[in-house]
Amino acid sequence: DQQVKQNSPSLSVQEGRISILNCDYTNSMFDYFLWYKKYPAEGPTFLISISSIKDKNEDGRFTVFLNKSAKHLSLHIVPSQPGDSAVYFCAASGQAGTALIFGKGTTLSVSS
Amino acid sequence: DSGVTQTPKHLITATGQRVTLRCSPRSGDLSVYWYQQSLDQGLQFLIQYYNGEERAKGNILERFSAQQFPDLHSELNLSSLELGDSALYFCASSVSGTAYEQYFGPGTRLTVT
Repeated sequence: DQQVKQNSPSLSVQEGRISILNCDYTNSMFDYFLWYKKYPAEGPTFLISISSIKDKNEDGRFTVFLNKSAKHLSLHIVPSQPGDSAVYFCAASGQAGTALIFGKGTTLSVSS
Repeated sequence: DSGVTQTPKHLITATGQRVTLRCSPRSGDLSVYWYQQSLDQGLQFLIQYYNGEERAKGNILERFSAQQFPDLHSELNLSSLELGDSALYFCASSVSGTAYEQYFGPGTRLTVT
């Protein structure tokens, strides 16, 4: 049973527009959420995270929103750039220093 | 560059064989995690070591084992390999038991023929 779900396998966006990647989770014990970006032939790269005590965290063009009641989080990228084209993984954890539970990823394609 | 190194980058071997994957964590990181990514799957946690000791196990097969050495590098041993073991194997490290963020190496692509 998947505890972290990314229901959209792919997303296509035009350069300069907003990209919104979604993630749902089922385990209410998760207290920290992370987004990773992965280019082909490379390992996942940490992008941004959010604690369950917050509902928003911003870092430059990247903002993560958390809706605990809906068990849903989203990553907003504004404005989107062609270099953002990659696979984005949502991950969750219930305790620091333990394994991350990953979704299957969403492939973002940003066209110029 | 995350600072986590993995060798080899690619590995092709036959069914029934045994291979060893190596990982060096970021300088100062005590925790090492191993993940497997199969086709169309997210990253699945295999095993974690913290300062030389096994800390947690995930979906790791009995044919697989790992260890972390005194210099903190880690090795993942895969034996009696099957076609279904073909996957990307990632190593990640984190600074301590108080950190959520993990930093990933470039991975080892294992192909079993």
